[in-house]
Amino acid sequence: NAGVTQTPKFRVLKTGQSMTLLCAQDMNHEYMYWYRQDPGMGLRLIHYSVGEGTTAKGEVPDGYNVSRLKKQNFLLGLESAAPSQTSVYFCASSDRSGISYNEQFFGPGTRLTVL
Amino acid sequence: AQKVTQAQTEISVVEKEDVTLDCVYETRDTTYYLFWYKQPPSGELVFLIRRNSFDEQNEISGRYSWNFQKSTSSFNFTITASQVVDSAVYFCALSEDGGDDKIIFGKGTRLHILP
Repeated sequence: NAGVTQTPKFRVLKTGQSMTLLCAQDMNHEYMYWYRQDPGMGLRLIHYSVGEGTTAKGEVPDGYNVSRLKKQNFLLGLESAAPSQTSVYFCASSDRSGISYNEQFFGPGTRLTVL
Repeated sequence: AQKVTQAQTEISVVEKEDVTLDCVYETRDTTYYLFWYKQPPSGELVFLIRRNSFDEQNEISGRYSWNFQKSTSSFNFTITASQVVDSAVYFCALSEDGGDDKIIFGKGTRLHILP
């Protein structure tokens, strides 16, 4: 049981390049989230999904797109990376059942640098 | 709208001292959940506690304790007899029951335990 995994762990991009971050969870959770963490800002929600095939905008969605084609995967895309997107990205998942009701389980993070 | 305020940006205490991390929240919902997460220097996010709005009992887990007071919209976290391993960034967070499980994080308090 791996929990929540993120690929890749580190990445360096040039301005204008594109990339996709992959989040996978093996807990059969319905809800998945993407956050970014910047110094002094805490975690801010980018996009989230309440089930397979659904996505919704969070607090800071601009410049990102997401897809949830399979229940266990949640992809975060940057179509044209900008230096302002340099950050640590965390994925999380949760469900509304059992003793872990509404608890978000986090992946290890992806450190992205845009030059 | 949801809001979480952690007024203490950074705290330093000497090992074995007690320390309290403050958290004040805002919500219009009557049903909501409060969380504390720990982020050690290694970067992962570690779940510490979830408390629902109907349970105002204080909780103790070893050296950790939490004081939930709806009257002052606060959910404070105390570490007793602090240890160097407690050095981390601590995040308080809030989730409204009808809010797609979205969690809003405070900006975090960086805690330094000095040997």
